[in-house]
This record gives sequence, C-alpha cells and structure tokens, in this order.
Amino acid sequence: AQSVAQPEDQVNVAEGNPLTVKCTYSVSGNPYLFWYVQYPNRGLQFLLKYITGDNLVKGSYGFEAEFNKSQTSFHLKKPSALVSDSALYFCAVRPRTGGSYIPTFGRGTSLIVHP
Amino acid sequence: ETGVTQTPRHLVMGMTNKKSLKCEQHLGHNAMYWYKQSAKKPLELMFVYSLEERVENNSVPSRFSPECPNSSHLFLHLHTLQPEDSALYLCASSQAVVGQGSDTQYFGPGTRLTVL
Repeated sequence: AQSVAQPEDQVNVAEGNPLTVKCTYSVSGNPYLFWYVQYPNRGLQFLLKYITGDNLVKGSYGFEAEFNKSQTSFHLKKPSALVSDSALYFCAVRPRTGGSYIPTFGRGTSLIVHP
Repeated sequence: ETGVTQTPRHLVMGMTNKKSLKCEQHLGHNAMYWYKQSAKKPLELMFVYSLEERVENNSVPSRFSPECPNSSHLFLHLHTLQPEDSALYLCASSQAVVGQGSDTQYFGPGTRLTVL
C-alpha cells in the first residue's frame, strides 16, 4: 500500500526567510509525486509534480521540490517566503505501475509566514 | 480559477433532509472525483468516475449516492446524513482515463457541509 507522511502539522517562518515543507512517501517502485496548495475557503491548487528526469522540480509561485529516491522524500522549498504563501500544503503520491492510479494525499501542513 | 465549479458553496441540512451537491468541469476532462476533507485528516477519496463510469468506490456509506450523467457533470446526493458527515466536500477532475499516474487533478472550491 502507498502512503504519504507530512511530519509537521505546522511550519512557521519569517517573511524573506527560506521555507521547507517536508514530505516522505512509501510506494512500490518509482512514484509520481505532487504538491498542492489550499488557500482558505478554496479547493486544492496544483503546484508542481515529479515525473522523471531532473530531481529538482520547479513549480508555480517560485516553489520547487527535490525528489530524493534514497530518502524517499519530496520536500517543498522556496528561497524567500512571502506572507501570501501562508496556506495549507498537501503532498501526494501515485505509483507508476502495479498499484492504484488514485493518488494518496498526506494530512497537510499549515504554513504560516510572519511579517 | 481552476475551471471546476461546485454548488452550493455552503450547505446546512438536518439529518432527515435530502440534498444534492453539484460539480461541473469546463476543462474537457475525462475523469471526475469526490473527496471528503475533514480537519487534521488526509483527503478521503469517495468516488471516481472515468468516462461517466464509476471505477472506484471507497467503502462509502450508502447515504452518499453519486451520479455522473456526462463527463462534465458530477453530483453527490445526500440522504439521512449524520453529524460526523460535516466536512468540506471537494470535486476534482483530470484529463486522463484510468491508468495514467502522472495525471494532474484540478479541484473545485468545495462545498462546506454542516449536518445538524
């Protein structure tokens, strides 16, 4: 069975500082990995995904994520946080073969960026 | 916005009421999904339709009944719900039919349901 862990319920960072939101996964074989963001009273919005190739994936709003196969991680990063980045972030995984095509989501991490 | 709309945005209902949630996607996608989002929990997949055929039903109680009349519309019919069913219900769509794991999902804004 596939699973996703987001070990932090909440991440606090000062505006202008770098941010990291952590995600680790468990899946058979190589995964497809996704990050979504949810602003208050909104649905989830796609940020970025890893399919193949370069382990560093760049996405919307200046976010990027690094696929680390040996550590089974896909942490979300941004060099300089903005107050407007405050939101709920979800990591999701799908296996490439032999499993459900349905993504498994983590519990979400609330990012709070302080002015 | 994402091209996926949901109505109503907020719904309060009693345990004996019957109501329906509506989702419409304007993206030309072939698959549609219903999720339940509760605080501090992972998203719970409820139903998946691919080309208007139900392909996944995650042990959802029968008081929730989905309907997909065409590839652009998805309904969730609600009947005799319980207070623990109060949550945000999210609809999503994606381009591909079953089997394409790299496919991105596009979500609607959700319906905030409160069951009294």
